[in-house]
Amino acid sequence: RKEVEQDPGPFNVPEGATVAFNCTYSNSASQSFFWYRQDCRKEPKLLMSVYSSGNEDGRFTAQLNRASQYISLLIRDSKLSDSATYLCVVNDYKLSFGAGTTVTVRA
Amino acid sequence: NAGVTQTPKFQVLKTGQSMTLQCAQDMNHEYMSWYRQDPGMGLRLIHYSVGAGITDQGEVPNGYNVSRSTTEDFPLRLLSAAPSQTSVYFCASSFGQDEAFFGQGTRLTVV
Repeated sequence: RKEVEQDPGPFNVPEGATVAFNCTYSNSASQSFFWYRQDCRKEPKLLMSVYSSGNEDGRFTAQLNRASQYISLLIRDSKLSDSATYLCVVNDYKLSFGAGTTVTVRA
Repeated sequence: NAGVTQTPKFQVLKTGQSMTLQCAQDMNHEYMSWYRQDPGMGLRLIHYSVGAGITDQGEVPNGYNVSRSTTEDFPLRLLSAAPSQTSVYFCASSFGQDEAFFGQGTRLTVV
C-alpha cells in the first residue's frame, strides 16, 4: 500500500462550482500534512497546511480526519485560475507525496 | 534568502554522458531530497538526506548518485545518462515536519 494515495480525478467543473477531493495516508502516527499546487510540471508550491481543527484560506478549506486517516481539500466558487494539479504531502521527517489530483475549471 | 536553488533549468545530454544537477538551500534545512516527474505521473523519490554525511535511497535510485558533504548542498549525479532518464527533476528541502520548499526544476532530455 502506498504511503499517500489521492483520487487522481480529473475533476472537470464549471466556474463557480465547488469541488472537493481526498487524500488518504497510511501512517496513523503522521502529524504534518500539506496541500500543494502544481502547474504544468513546474515546481509544487504550498497552498496550505492542514491543521487538526481544519482550516480555511479564502475559498479553500482543508480538513483532517484522523480516525479515517484522510485529509481533504474543498475549493469553493472555482475560478479558471484554480485549474492545476493538487498534491497531498505528508511530512514524517521524510516527505511522502500523493500522485496528485487534477482539477480543470471551465468557463 | 534565496530558498532552494536548482541548476541548470534545462539540459540536453547524449546517451552515456554524465552530469551533475546542483541543489542548494540557505535555510539550514536538514532534510533534502531529489524527485523525478514523468508525464502524467507523480513525484518519485530518487534519493534523500536527513543531514550532512547521511544519504539514503528512495523509490527509483538506479543510475543516480548523491552526496551530502554540507548542510546546504545536495547534488545529484547521473553516472551514464540513458533516454529513460529524460524527465523533470525537482530538489526539495524541509526542516523537521515543516513545509517543503522546492527548486524550480531541471528539464533533462537524454538523446
